[in-house]
Amino acid sequence: GAVVSQHPSRVICKSGTSVKIECRSLDFQATTMFWYRQFPKQSLMLMATSNEGSKATYEQGVEKDKFLINHASLTLSTLTVTSAHPEDSSFYICSARGGSGGFQETQYFGPGTRLLVL
Amino acid sequence: GQNIDQPTEMTATEGAIVQINCTYQTSGFNGLFWYQQHAGEAPTFLSYNVLDGLEEKGRFSSFLSRSKGYSYLLLKELQMKDSASYLCAVMDSNYQLIWGAGTKLIIKP
Repeated sequence: GAVVSQHPSRVICKSGTSVKIECRSLDFQATTMFWYRQFPKQSLMLMATSNEGSKATYEQGVEKDKFLINHASLTLSTLTVTSAHPEDSSFYICSARGGSGGFQETQYFGPGTRLLVL
Repeated sequence: GQNIDQPTEMTATEGAIVQINCTYQTSGFNGLFWYQQHAGEAPTFLSYNVLDGLEEKGRFSSFLSRSKGYSYLLLKELQMKDSASYLCAVMDSNYQLIWGAGTKLIIKP
């Protein structure tokens, strides 16, 4: 149980284009989903937290107009990197949590999406 | 402020035992998590401790002392595939995960 998928696993795009990344919880309902970014050899950096049906909460320094998050259902959240630039190249990882205390607070991670902006 | 401290890097020998420590100072506590992250991959969940004591799961065990703000991850019978980063994370009173920077574990034959 607790499987999270992410699509695509890898994307290469031209500077100025937008890229959409999907995160799905396959066998549980995720009340909360998280989006992280990780640069090579660096720690996970939380970008935003999203609850189904409400606006995402962005961490300080993360531009909400650049990184659009939609959590339309209990099993799907999307991250759109708008007008991507080379400095946005990174490993983007989503995680999902069932919520409601105890073990259900565990975050389960998707396999990640490697974005390369040329 | 909130912070999680763990060693940056550790080296151990195949077949041996290694203990990775994590100390934390957070606003509230709703559990401590350990994750394993292989290079170039996403983290995978290893363990969750919310009460004091030792939780054993196969070759991996995790210990928690809430009064000391301390946890460790114990890996026994080390295998080469255990080479990875190990992330300690604490859930604070707002159910937000506070992440440590991770400990890179290098296993030598």
